[in-house]
Amino acid sequence: SQTIHQWPATLVQPVGSPLSLECTVEGTSNPNLYWYRQAAGRGLQLLFYSVGIGQISSEVPQNLSASRPQDRQFILSSKKLLLSDSGFYLCAWRKSGYYNEQFFGPGTRLTVL
Amino acid sequence: QKEVEQNSGPLSVPEGAIASLNCTYSDRGSQSFFWYRQYSGKSPELIMSIYSNGDKEDGRFTAQLNKASQYVSLLIRDSQPSDSATYLCAVYNNNDMRFGAGTRLTVKP
Repeated sequence: SQTIHQWPATLVQPVGSPLSLECTVEGTSNPNLYWYRQAAGRGLQLLFYSVGIGQISSEVPQNLSASRPQDRQFILSSKKLLLSDSGFYLCAWRKSGYYNEQFFGPGTRLTVL
Repeated sequence: QKEVEQNSGPLSVPEGAIASLNCTYSDRGSQSFFWYRQYSGKSPELIMSIYSNGDKEDGRFTAQLNKASQYVSLLIRDSQPSDSATYLCAVYNNNDMRFGAGTRLTVKP
C-alpha cells in the first residue's frame, strides 16, 4: 500500500530564515505530487505540482520554491520566510489514471514569528 | 475563475440524524468530485469519490452528483459525534483540483 510522509510535523521559524520541508511517497512510482497551503480557517491553496523528476509547475507567485530531486521526493523551500508564510503545509500524491484521487500526507504546521 | 462553494457552517445536527452537506462548482468541464473529512489539526482524508450523475453509497455516506446543476452533496446517515469535522468538497479537471473552504459539522450527543 502507498504511504506518504512529511517532516517536520511542526516548525517555528523567525522571519527572514530559510525553510525546507520534505515529502516522500512509498509504494508507488511516478506519482503526481502536490504542495498545498492551508491558512487558519481557510481553504486549500495549491502552491506547486510535479508530474515527474525535475518538473515543477507553480500556481502562485511567492517567495516559495519546490524541487523534485527523486521520483518519490518533493521538497518545498524558501530563502527568506515572511509572516504570511505561516500555515499548514500539505503534500499530496495522485493516483494516475481515470480516478484522479489525491491523498494527503500528515502535514507540517509552520509558524513564522 | 474556477470556484467551489460550500456553506461554511457550522452545521449542527443531533446524534442519529442525517447531515446534509452541499457544494456547487463553476467549471462545467469538471470530471471528478470528492469529499474529504478534516479533523481539527489534521490533514484531509478522502472519504468519497463520485464521477457520474446520481448517487453513490458507502456505508453511512452517500454522495450525490448533478452535473447539469453543477451540484455535489454528501449525506451522512446516523450521524455520530465522531463525524464532527470539517468536510471539504473538491472538484477535478485536467490536473487542476479545486477545493471548497469546507463546512464545519458538529454532531451533538
